Amino acid sequence: GAGVSQSPRYKVAKRGQDVALRCDPISGHVSLFWYQQALGQGPEFLTYFQNEAQLDKSGLPSDRFFAERPEGSVSTLKIQRTQQEDSAVYLCASSRQGYTQYFGPGTRLTVL
Amino acid sequence: QQQVKQSPQSLIVQKGGISIINCAYENTAFDYFPWYQQFPGKGPALLIAIRPDVSEKKEGRFTISFNKSAKQFSLHIMDSQPGDSATYFCAATDSGGSNYKLTFGKGTLLTVNP
Repeated sequence: GAGVSQSPRYKVAKRGQDVALRCDPISGHVSLFWYQQALGQGPEFLTYFQNEAQLDKSGLPSDRFFAERPEGSVSTLKIQRTQQEDSAVYLCASSRQGYTQYFGPGTRLTVL
Repeated sequence: QQQVKQSPQSLIVQKGGISIINCAYENTAFDYFPWYQQFPGKGPALLIAIRPDVSEKKEGRFTISFNKSAKQFSLHIMDSQPGDSATYFCAATDSGGSNYKLTFGKGTLLTVNP
């Protein structure tokens, strides 16, 4: 079956622009995670959804970051007023329930 | 505070050799330890995982060794192949909060020379 898909794969934004990154999880997966991966680093947790409920947003770096999953399937990560330090790969992962997380290919965001 | 420390940062191995990557953790609540493999431009893919009730798990050429008292675990890749060249991440999670968010190490860039 299809894996986790993310779009766009690449996004270039001017500093101060708003961006929206989309994640389509594996069908039937209850849990959805967003991670941020800086160049040459490991992924870092941003936020977690169980169905439509955002149960943990402790990793969001600032109030410019906002995530939603209104129908418990597709999720969107929105970054307002982007800054250069937001440049990274944003990874989405989904899980049926429990330990095993399946990652998408990521969206590479470059803020100029 | 880096909760999962990974070493080495990079590793070069000859084809057929053994690749060994080490990780140490601090949070004793961690109860699941996966290893992920990531190729350039791709997302991380689960390779193998272990829980602290066993000391070793083997899947094909990949083995995890786990030392609970030392709070350390390692990945061994036997008969390393050029196709194994990738970045490897260890990770850990605490399921107690019913969250399963992963804490990753910084990664090891493995190069297997033909």
